Amino acid sequence: KAGVTQTPRYLIKTRGQQVTLSCSPISGHRSVSWYQQTPGQGLQFLFEYFSETQRNKGNFPGRFSGRQFSNSRSEMNVSTLELGDSALYLCASSLAGTATYEQYFGPGTRLTVT
Amino acid sequence: GQNIDQPTEMTATEGAIVQINCTYQTSGFNGLFWYQQHAGEAPTFLSYNVLDGLEEKGRFSSFLSRSKGYSYLLLKELQMKDSASYLCAVRPYTGGFKTIFGAGTRLFVKA
Repeated sequence: KAGVTQTPRYLIKTRGQQVTLSCSPISGHRSVSWYQQTPGQGLQFLFEYFSETQRNKGNFPGRFSGRQFSNSRSEMNVSTLELGDSALYLCASSLAGTATYEQYFGPGTRLTVT
Repeated sequence: GQNIDQPTEMTATEGAIVQINCTYQTSGFNGLFWYQQHAGEAPTFLSYNVLDGLEEKGRFSSFLSRSKGYSYLLLKELQMKDSASYLCAVRPYTGGFKTIFGAGTRLFVKA
């Protein structure tokens, strides 16, 4: 079974631009969560989508948004990029609706804002 | 809210045993997790504790005491490949998979 895939793997953007990152979960997984990882703040939860609905949200400004499609693929968007948005963005998928508890992480998208 | 504390770095010798502690302040959670993350890679799941006590999984064991707000990850027979960051995390009662991570403990295994 293929793992979680994220595209692109690396991205360089300029302050003020916007960016869209994509995540394809493991086949059959319906929950997709997004995290931001920086050296200073560690892994921070952005949001979780389940069945095309946002189920949980972290403490990030409204510039960070996401969505999930009917095939469970998810995208996250960051508008008006700031230098502080430079980070590794990880998505994780889970087989929701059962007793399982594991999240499987993708390799991440490394975003650099200049 | 949740506050998770772990030591920043630890060093241990190949073949030895190391214990990585995690303390937390939280109003309640479904379970406590430990993840391993090698430099430049994604986190991978190691263990999950729901009830108090010890969960053993090969060379890795994890312990939880909800009353003390304390957990630890025990790594036995250390190998060089165990050099990585170890992340303690809790899943609050939100009805989903939202997970709050500690900053992680970087473990260096020396020969």
